[in-house]
Amino acid sequence: DQQVKQNSPSLSVQEGRISILNCDYTNSMFDYFLWYKKYPAEGPTFLISISSIKDKNEDGRFTVFLNKSAKHLSLHIVPSQPGDSAVYFCAASLLGNTNAGKSTFGDGTTLTVKP
Amino acid sequence: DAGITQSPRHKVTETGTPVTLRCHQTENHRYMYWYRQDPGHGLRLIHYSYGVKDTDKGEVSDGYSVSRSKTEDFLLTLESATSSQTSVYFCAISVRDRGYEQYFGPGTRLTVT
Repeated sequence: DQQVKQNSPSLSVQEGRISILNCDYTNSMFDYFLWYKKYPAEGPTFLISISSIKDKNEDGRFTVFLNKSAKHLSLHIVPSQPGDSAVYFCAASLLGNTNAGKSTFGDGTTLTVKP
Repeated sequence: DAGITQSPRHKVTETGTPVTLRCHQTENHRYMYWYRQDPGHGLRLIHYSYGVKDTDKGEVSDGYSVSRSKTEDFLLTLESATSSQTSVYFCAISVRDRGYEQYFGPGTRLTVT
């Protein structure tokens, strides 16, 4: 059973518009959520995170929203730029000491921003 | 930049041969991970380590073993490579005081023929 799901394998948006990437999770014990960005032939890079005690976290053009009751989070990119074209991974984690910092990743969404 | 390097970056090997991939970090982080990335499967955890000689299995550990004899090095071994292990392998570290956000190496592309 996949605990973190990104149901849209791909998303295409026009430059300047908003990109919304979605992620659903099934384990209500997850208490920390992260987004990573990956370019071809490179390792993923951390983008933004949110604790389960918050419902929104913003960093420049990137905002993550968390809806715990729906077990849903989303990443908003405004305005979208061609350099944002990449694969975006959603991840969920348990912050307890026994978890060794492990995260469970979704399958990724490929974002294409058209000039 | 968490100073993570992986070697080799590319490898082609034959079915049945042993293969060892190396992950090296320069900042003495406690937690290290090995993932594989395959089309349609995202990042799947193979093994992880929470200290020298302290390792545990992830969700796809069959056919893989790991060792960590020094803080800075985390080795992934395929005892007898199979074609199903053709993949891109990523090593990562996490930083506890940053919410365990992970920092990844550049990856190793392994092809088993």
